[in-house]
Amino acid sequence: EVQLVESGGGLVKPGGSLRLSCAASGFTFSSYSMNWVRQAPGKGLEWVSSISSSSSYIYYADSVKGRFTISRDNAKNSLYLQMNSLRAEDTAVYYCARDFGGKMAFDPWGQGTLVTVSS
Amino acid sequence: QSALTQPASVSGSPGQSITISCTGTSSDVGGYNYVSWYQQHPGKAPKLMIYEVSNRPSGVPDRFSGSKSGNTASLTISGLQAEDEADYYCSSYTSSSTLNVFGTGTKVTVL
Repeated sequence: EVQLVESGGGLVKPGGSLRLSCAASGFTFSSYSMNWVRQAPGKGLEWVSSISSSSSYIYYADSVKGRFTISRDNAKNSLYLQMNSLRAEDTAVYYCARDFGGKMAFDPWGQGTLVTVSS
Repeated sequence: QSALTQPASVSGSPGQSITISCTGTSSDVGGYNYVSWYQQHPGKAPKLMIYEVSNRPSGVPDRFSGSKSGNTASLTISGLQAEDEADYYCSSYTSSSTLNVFGTGTKVTVL
């Protein structure tokens, strides 16, 4: 069974840092691009970042560019999101999602991890 | 990159058909056949319902269908059922540096 499990969320002060992890299982992780998508409380989905299977191509939303860094460790079947200079508007549930066979779609998704930025 | 535009809410009675629109620009929806749709029930992760404008992943009922005309994509749910009540989001590849953009989301209510 394909499974994605996020971890690392929590409460952090504005200006602080947090590192999210996504553990993948049930598929050949090194063959797929991976993504982070977030959802602020009561709001819609926002794409955050994508990384290709070999880390050769990386993309960020303008809202996080320069503050967030996506990375992966194919040997550990893991995806990461290093979040620095956090702001209140970064408060959200962060989902990791697998690329759907190169179709520019996301499937499956993890259950999400909540990041709260507050003093 | 602005979010794609969707109606805030759409409703219908069981058995009816409803259509959700998703309007973008020639740089995203209108320029590429990489439009996807997601269903999200409260407190749950999104689920892929349609990819590449009109293709259904395995396991998605054929009551769900997608189409596109110009800069607007659409998701149609035929034979509406109670379990279809959820939030729906469109998404598109974009030629901007940001790669991907989601829609504003539509709450579907089954009356």
